[in-house]
Amino acid sequence: KQEVTQIPAALSVPEGENLVLNCSFTDSAIYNLQWFRQDPGKGLTSLLLIQSSQREQTSGRLNASLDKSSGRSTLYIAASQPGDSATYLCAVDTGFQKLVFGTGTRLLVSP
Amino acid sequence: DGGITQSPKYLFRKEGQNVTLSCEQNLNHDAMYWYRQDPGQGLRLIYYSQIVNDFQKGDIAEGYSVSREKKESFPLTVTSAQKNPTAFYLCASIGRSSYNEQFFGPGTRLTVL
Repeated sequence: KQEVTQIPAALSVPEGENLVLNCSFTDSAIYNLQWFRQDPGKGLTSLLLIQSSQREQTSGRLNASLDKSSGRSTLYIAASQPGDSATYLCAVDTGFQKLVFGTGTRLLVSP
Repeated sequence: DGGITQSPKYLFRKEGQNVTLSCEQNLNHDAMYWYRQDPGQGLRLIYYSQIVNDFQKGDIAEGYSVSREKKESFPLTVTSAQKNPTAFYLCASIGRSSYNEQFFGPGTRLTVL
C-alpha cells in the first residue's frame, strides 16, 4: 500500500530565506506527483505537477523535483515571503487518477 | 469563471440525520472525487467517478453514498451509518486535457452536534 510522508511537519523561517520541503513515498510505481498549497479552512490550490517521466518542474519561485527510484520529491521555495505561509501537501497518483496524500508541512514565514 | 463550487460552506447535523453535500463543476471535467480531511491528517478518498452514471468506492466509503447523474454534479450524502462524520470535505475534478492535474473546490465543513 502506498504511503506518503512529509518532513518536516512544521517549519518556521524568516522572510527571504530559501527553503526545502520534503516528500517521500513507498512505492515508486506512480503516474505523477502533485504539490498543493492549502490555506486555513480553504480548499487545495495546485502548485506543480510532475509527470513520472519528468525530473523537475518550475513555476516562479517554486521548483519541484522528483526522484522516482528513491521515492522522493522536494519542493524548493526561493526568497520566501509571508504570503507563502500555508500548509503544503504532496500527493502521488497511484493509477486511475487516485491520489494518495501526505499529511503536509505547515509553513510560517515571519516578516 | 470556470471552477468547482461546493455548498454549503458550513453544515451542522444532528446525530442520526443524513445530509447531502453539493459539488458542481463547469470545467467540463470527466472525473470527480470526494475526499475527507481530518485535523493533522492528509486527505483520504471517499468515492470517485470517472464518467456519468458510474462511480467507485475509495478507501473510506463506509457510511457515504454518491450519485453521478450529470457530468457537472457529484453530490455526496453522509448517512447516519457514518460514525464519525465531523470533518472537512473536499471535492475535486480532473479533465482529460489537464495532464491529470486535480482541481479542488473550497470545501464544506461538516459538524455533528
